[in-house]
Amino acid sequence: EVQMVESGGGLVQPGGSLRLSCAASGFTFSRYWLTWVRQAPGKGLEWVASIKEDGSQTYYVESVKGRFTISRDNAKSSLYLQMTSLRAEDTAVYYCAWGWGSHDYWGQGTLVTVSS
Amino acid sequence: EMVLTQSPGTLSLSPGERATLSCRASQSFSSAYLAWYQQKPGQAPRLLIYGASTRATGIPDRFSGSGSGTDFTLTISRLEPEDFAVYYCQQYGRSPPNTFGQGTKLEIK
Repeated sequence: EVQMVESGGGLVQPGGSLRLSCAASGFTFSRYWLTWVRQAPGKGLEWVASIKEDGSQTYYVESVKGRFTISRDNAKSSLYLQMTSLRAEDTAVYYCAWGWGSHDYWGQGTLVTVSS
Repeated sequence: EMVLTQSPGTLSLSPGERATLSCRASQSFSSAYLAWYQQKPGQAPRLLIYGASTRATGIPDRFSGSGSGTDFTLTISRLEPEDFAVYYCQQYGRSPPNTFGQGTKLEIK
């Protein structure tokens, strides 16, 4: 059974940093692109970043470029999102998702709240 | 940058009725890269359709997708009570950004 479990969310002040993790199991982690998608409270889905199987390619939505870094550790079947210079508009539930698109599997999400 | 516009914003129907949801793109793209998701409150999205018309594993055949170019449609042939949710389309072409539509809320009339 495929499982993806996010952690690391919480309350952080504007300008602060946070690192999200996503622990995956039930599939051959190193063979797939992985993605972070976020959802602001009461809003729709927004693609944030994706990373290639071996970590050699990464892509970001324009609004997080230079502030967020997606990475992965295939030996630990883990995906990460390092977030810096956080803004109020980054407040959202962050989901890790399997694949580049057409995401078959998602985590349950972790809430990031940026507020003073 | 690609923009996906979903319509209507809210659709009010009764169980047993047919639902037709639209997703229109600002640029033409391959239907191979169009997906539909269902999301219920407090839950992660669930993949329904990929490649514009292929049902994901375990998705009932009352859900169907169609379209090409800039116009795509999700049809639910006969609504069940559990189908009332928010639906999103997504394009995931060969280059980013991967874009979601703003969603259509399907509510019980």
